[in-house]
Amino acid sequence: LAKTTQPISMDSYEGQEVNITCSHNNIATNDYITWYQQFPSQGPRFIIQGYKTKVTNEVASLFIPADRKSSTLSLPRVSLSDTAVYYCLVGPPGAGSYQLTFGKGTKLSVIP
Amino acid sequence: NAGVTQTPKFQVLKTGQSMTLQCAQDMNHEYMSWYRQDPGMGLRLIHYSVGAGITDQGEVPNGYNVSRSTTEDFPLRLLSAAPSQTSVYFCASSSFRTGSFNEQFFGPGTRLTVL
Repeated sequence: LAKTTQPISMDSYEGQEVNITCSHNNIATNDYITWYQQFPSQGPRFIIQGYKTKVTNEVASLFIPADRKSSTLSLPRVSLSDTAVYYCLVGPPGAGSYQLTFGKGTKLSVIP
Repeated sequence: NAGVTQTPKFQVLKTGQSMTLQCAQDMNHEYMSWYRQDPGMGLRLIHYSVGAGITDQGEVPNGYNVSRSTTEDFPLRLLSAAPSQTSVYFCASSSFRTGSFNEQFFGPGTRLTVL
């Protein structure tokens, strides 16, 4: 599985847009990029997944450049409830890989 | 759907005791896994299963056993608890049918303390 690198922590004020970038230089051709969110004392929760260009859902947007060596999770107008740890994972879909590696993630703190 | 459920929520053990953490899912998912999360750390894979009767080791399997007799249940057994196994344990499941393996559904976790 591709190794990922993301910032350990970020701070943001309420109402701002937050962008968290993940580097994955050795991403494979058939790998997808997936982001999870984990609130304190809870299990991780799937946020968004993409392969290339841009994906948007009701929670976030995911921007993937043409070379796919990095990706950016964008959270619009964050609120205090967005304070969480965000994990970037890279791996193939389906049963191609049975193991996912959750690194330390990025701890986002939203300040009032 | 209840999703992924775990019991107990909290557990305190003495060194050397054994116990089983329960995990069940009602989504008919083929894939189930156990992770542990230590303070300030990411999740580390302990064991996983791709279907009933099939299990395999993850990154940190020592001291833990698993079995998968049904699609729904995937218990994790601690054979002889050690203080180093103090952690929060998460169970997760996923379906191969969706074509999006990376979307895993996590349970609420079991907080285990070994004295």
